[in-house]
Amino acid sequence: GAVVSQHPSWVICKSGTSVKIECRSLDFQATTMFWYRQFPKQSLMLMATSNEGSKATYEQGVEKDKFLINHASLTLSTLTVTSAHPEDSSFYICSVHGTSNQPQHFGDGTRLSIL
Amino acid sequence: DQQVKQNSPSLSVQEGRISILNCDYTNSMFDYFLWYKKYPAEGPTFLISISSIKDKNEDGRFTVFLNKSAKHLSLHIVPSQPGDSAVYFCAASASWGGSEKLVFGKGTKLTVNP
Repeated sequence: GAVVSQHPSWVICKSGTSVKIECRSLDFQATTMFWYRQFPKQSLMLMATSNEGSKATYEQGVEKDKFLINHASLTLSTLTVTSAHPEDSSFYICSVHGTSNQPQHFGDGTRLSIL
Repeated sequence: DQQVKQNSPSLSVQEGRISILNCDYTNSMFDYFLWYKKYPAEGPTFLISISSIKDKNEDGRFTVFLNKSAKHLSLHIVPSQPGDSAVYFCAASASWGGSEKLVFGKGTKLTVNP
């Protein structure tokens, strides 16, 4: 069964809209979740590391004021793309990290299309 | 600068034959390597991994080989099956601030023909 649930799977909205994406860990409590982004024909690129109860750690070049991450509980992290523009259109995917000896488990991703 | 490279964007093999997917990396700090399989409209699914202290890990039809001196790893699938057709991503991690940050290659699309 699924380990990670990501919602919504597909969003189309107008430029300037803010979009919230949810990532839920179904099988275990996750102190750390990761948010990746994938542009067509490119690799998955880590955007930020979401830490339960503390501020997210953003990768270089990722605007923290534009991509708001909240990890309020051990099973839920949210990514909000604020004032989205067409260049933000991408595939956003979260992963959950269990113990140090276990691989990351990924959600099914969110296809975001900004018109 | 891409730290994990999958130089073959696609690979096509016949059912029953061996599929070999290759991956090269540049960062010598990487000590844990993973292969993920991805179908369209789904998230990557973990397939197999290998620690830098090993040079081979096997799980059923899937075997991963690691050559640390060459900074190269490969995934062997034998025998290949049509259901193996997917995009395969190589990923690597190191101890970055204690997190398991993954660096991915661009993926190789495998097609197994019946």
